[in-house]
Amino acid sequence: DTGVSQDPRHKITKRGQNVTFRCDPISEHNRLYWYRQTLGQGPEFLTYFQNEAQLEKSRLLSDRFSAERPKGSFSTLEIQRTEQGDSAMYLCASSSGTSGVRGTDTQYFGPGTRLTVL
Amino acid sequence: EDQVTQSPEALRLQEGESSSLNCSYTVSGLRGLFWYRQDPGKGPEFLFTLYSAGEEKEKERLKATLTKKESFLHITAPKPEDSATYLCAVQALYGGATNKLIFGTGTLLAVQP
Repeated sequence: DTGVSQDPRHKITKRGQNVTFRCDPISEHNRLYWYRQTLGQGPEFLTYFQNEAQLEKSRLLSDRFSAERPKGSFSTLEIQRTEQGDSAMYLCASSSGTSGVRGTDTQYFGPGTRLTVL
Repeated sequence: EDQVTQSPEALRLQEGESSSLNCSYTVSGLRGLFWYRQDPGKGPEFLFTLYSAGEEKEKERLKATLTKKESFLHITAPKPEDSATYLCAVQALYGGATNKLIFGTGTLLAVQP
């Protein structure tokens, strides 16, 4: 079990540029989540996939943000026309989809991608 | 609106000095309450899941408890390696199931040797 991996770990870009992040979940986990975390805050939910289907999107996910999980394995998060307010840690998590008590299952987080927009 | 509030924001302890962190929540039906530990520059690391009032879980020097409105993370005889930010999150029941976690802002714990 290698854990959730994210690439790149750090990204510095200029305002207006597009960026793309990749997340590889724990193998055989069919649920994948993206969160955003700014300094001093807890992670905020962005979107959720079950296999390749995007089932839930936050209001935080503006039309400049798009996420895909084309084959139900890895996922990408793209931000178009980046703004300074997009600077944050972008966290990916995965879970097995095997429902436990009340349908919960544990989300395991990756190390995150730190985005800095200049 | 579903909400999680953690206190204190920061806590400094001497090694061996036990204390508790608080997580208060308001949620439209609780599916689960989760505790995570986060080291600087890293992703959150799962610690515990609690489901029902009265439930307790333990791991090494940590014990998590749950009531109908709050959860406590008790740290017994902490060591410097317990220094981290501790995050509380809830997963809520809506009309249908949602899987998102709603996090608090965390408690930054520093344990001095």
